[in-house]
Amino acid sequence: ETGVTQTPRHLVMGMTNKKSLKCEQHLGHNAMYWYKQSAKKPLELMFVYSLEERVENNSVPSRFSPECPNSSHLFLHLHTLQPEDSALYLCASSQGRGSNEKLFFGSGTQLSVL
Amino acid sequence: AQSVAQPEDQVNVAEGNPLTVKCTYSVSGNPYLFWYVQYPNRGLQFLLKYITGDNLVKGSYGFEAEFNKSQTSFHLKKPSALVSDSALYFCAVRLSNDYKLSFGAGTTVTVRA
Repeated sequence: ETGVTQTPRHLVMGMTNKKSLKCEQHLGHNAMYWYKQSAKKPLELMFVYSLEERVENNSVPSRFSPECPNSSHLFLHLHTLQPEDSALYLCASSQGRGSNEKLFFGSGTQLSVL
Repeated sequence: AQSVAQPEDQVNVAEGNPLTVKCTYSVSGNPYLFWYVQYPNRGLQFLLKYITGDNLVKGSYGFEAEFNKSQTSFHLKKPSALVSDSALYFCAVRLSNDYKLSFGAGTTVTVRA
C-alpha cells in the first residue's frame, strides 16, 4: 500500500449525475494532486493543492470542481460530465512541492460516463 | 515548457534478457527526471530519480537509469528481466525550480517466460 486511498474504485455515471471522488493520504504530506489518465496519453495534471490552498488549475473544465478541506483529504466533485471524461482519475501526494519530491499515488477511480 | 517522449508503446522481452525502456525529454533548464511503474489495477509507484551527481541512477527492483545530457535521454534498464516486471512504465520530468511533473504516455513492458 502506498498510503494514499481512493474511493470509489469504479464509478459509472450518466451525464446529468453529480458524484464525488475521494482521496485520503495517511503519510503526513502537505501537497495533493489530481491527475487524469487516459489510454495511450500522458498523465494530465488537473489540480494541485499545497497546504490546502489550490496552486494549480490546469485549464480544467468547470464541470470538475476540487475541494481540499484539510491536508489529508482531497475531493473531486463531478457534474454534467461528458463521455470523453471517462478515464482513470489518480490522486497523489508529496511532502512539499519541491522539485525533487517523489509522488505517492492512489490506485485510482475508473470513471465511465454514459 | 517541458515534455517527455517515450517512443515505444510496447516492449517485449524474454525472461532473463536485458530490458530497456526509452525516454527522451525536452526542457528549457535543468531537468529532474523520474521513472514510475504501474501494475494492473494499481496507481503509479516511484522507481528512481535523477537530480544531480552520477549519471547512472539505481532504483527499486534492480532497475537503473542513465542520464545523458547530450542526447537528452533517461533510459530505464534492467540487466535481467523477470515476468513480474510486466507493467506500464512512465518517464517524467520536472524543472529544477518547478513542482509540475510532466509524464510521458507510458510504455507497456511484457516479459514472457
